[in-house]
Amino acid sequence: EAGVAQSPRYKIIEKRQSVAFWCNPISGHATLYWYQQILGQGPKLLIQFQNNGVVDDSQLPKDRFSAERLKGVDSTLKIQPAKLEDSAVYLCASSSPRRNVREQYFGPGTRLTVT
Amino acid sequence: GNSVTQMEGPVTLSEEAFLTINCTYTATGYPSLFWYVQYPGEGLQLLLKATKADDKGSNKGFEATYRKETTSFHLEKGSVQVSDSAVYFCALSGGSNYKLTFGKGTLLTVNP
Repeated sequence: EAGVAQSPRYKIIEKRQSVAFWCNPISGHATLYWYQQILGQGPKLLIQFQNNGVVDDSQLPKDRFSAERLKGVDSTLKIQPAKLEDSAVYLCASSSPRRNVREQYFGPGTRLTVT
Repeated sequence: GNSVTQMEGPVTLSEEAFLTINCTYTATGYPSLFWYVQYPGEGLQLLLKATKADDKGSNKGFEATYRKETTSFHLEKGSVQVSDSAVYFCALSGGSNYKLTFGKGTLLTVNP
């Protein structure tokens, strides 16, 4: 089966600009996650969707970050306006609620550089 | 809250050496434990997992045992290869939303 797809793979923007990332999860996976991975650290959950509803967005900086999953499949994460500290890899993952352990499968990530 | 502490790197080994990367955790309840691996330029891949105490996860020669009494999940491999060079992340999943909490990662470099 196809894995989690993300685009773009790389993005360079100037501070105060906006940027959007796209994720297509594994077919049939109802749960979708966005993580932020700053260089030298482990991934940190930004937001979790169950179908098109938000389960957890407690660590999402809502003044500048937004995310949506309108039809319960694809998702978009947006940053507006970007700050230097937003430079990171943004990872999308998905999992199936049918599996008790809920293993998460990750996409290749989008590397964002804010200058 | 949940947290994961893993051995800081970088770790540099010669090919065929024995590998141990330590991982301890703090969690309420009975979390599931994971090791993920990240090769250069790629996303995270699940390496192995364990869902209850005394379970041993294994894959590609790597092993880790879920030790509830010491709250540990150390990663081991008897003979590493150059192709094992990557960043290794210990993680736990717990709570009603199965959120993953990661350690900071350990960079492993294996020299021929």
